[in-house]
Amino acid sequence: GQQVMQIPQYQHVQEGEDFTTYCNSSTTLSNIQWYKQRPGGHPVFLIQLVKSGEVKKQKRLTFQFGEAKKNSSLHITATQTTDVGTYFCAGQSNDYKLSFGAGTTVTVRA
Amino acid sequence: GAVVSQHPSWVICKSGTSVKIECRSLDFQATTMFWYRQFPKQSLMLMATSNEGSKATYEQGVEKDKFLINHASLTLSTLTVTSAHPEDSSFYICSASWGDGYEQYFGPGTRLTVT
Repeated sequence: GQQVMQIPQYQHVQEGEDFTTYCNSSTTLSNIQWYKQRPGGHPVFLIQLVKSGEVKKQKRLTFQFGEAKKNSSLHITATQTTDVGTYFCAGQSNDYKLSFGAGTTVTVRA
Repeated sequence: GAVVSQHPSWVICKSGTSVKIECRSLDFQATTMFWYRQFPKQSLMLMATSNEGSKATYEQGVEKDKFLINHASLTLSTLTVTSAHPEDSSFYICSASWGDGYEQYFGPGTRLTVT
């Protein structure tokens, strides 16, 4: 079955620094979605990437979808304490099922 | 828009009892609902997919008789954990989608503790 790998598992960042989390799928995806889960909360949808090579920005967050539609990245610039949480990528195939990556848990030191 | 609720938000039950969790789409009709399970500090694992009026499709390794799913209407799906045991303690999250099904809206989750 489809597997989505996500690295790193943990990211400890100095406030103001940038970081990137990466996802790789074992199969070609219809689209990839990104979610953020705050401690004790539930996943909240951030964005969906559909097109090969697509790049989308949300303020300090930049999302990319690879040309082969098998990998994706999320880059956050100038990290703030509000960025704390776990970021999941989720690959979706034609059967609409989402396969979640393991998540990258982000902590920020002021 | 696209709000999904879950009830209860948390529940504690004794081993051997059954627990029902409700998932409702409040402002849209959900053609498909998904049930996930999340252990502490782990990712979400899809348990089953349900379409209104038809039997749920379970993922490999998920016991159908233990996790009963009913999708009786376009706004309600229920997950019943039967004869719960401590190893069933987990965070159960539902999501709902409509139309082409690409975007899923997640409920707030239900934290189940079995003593």
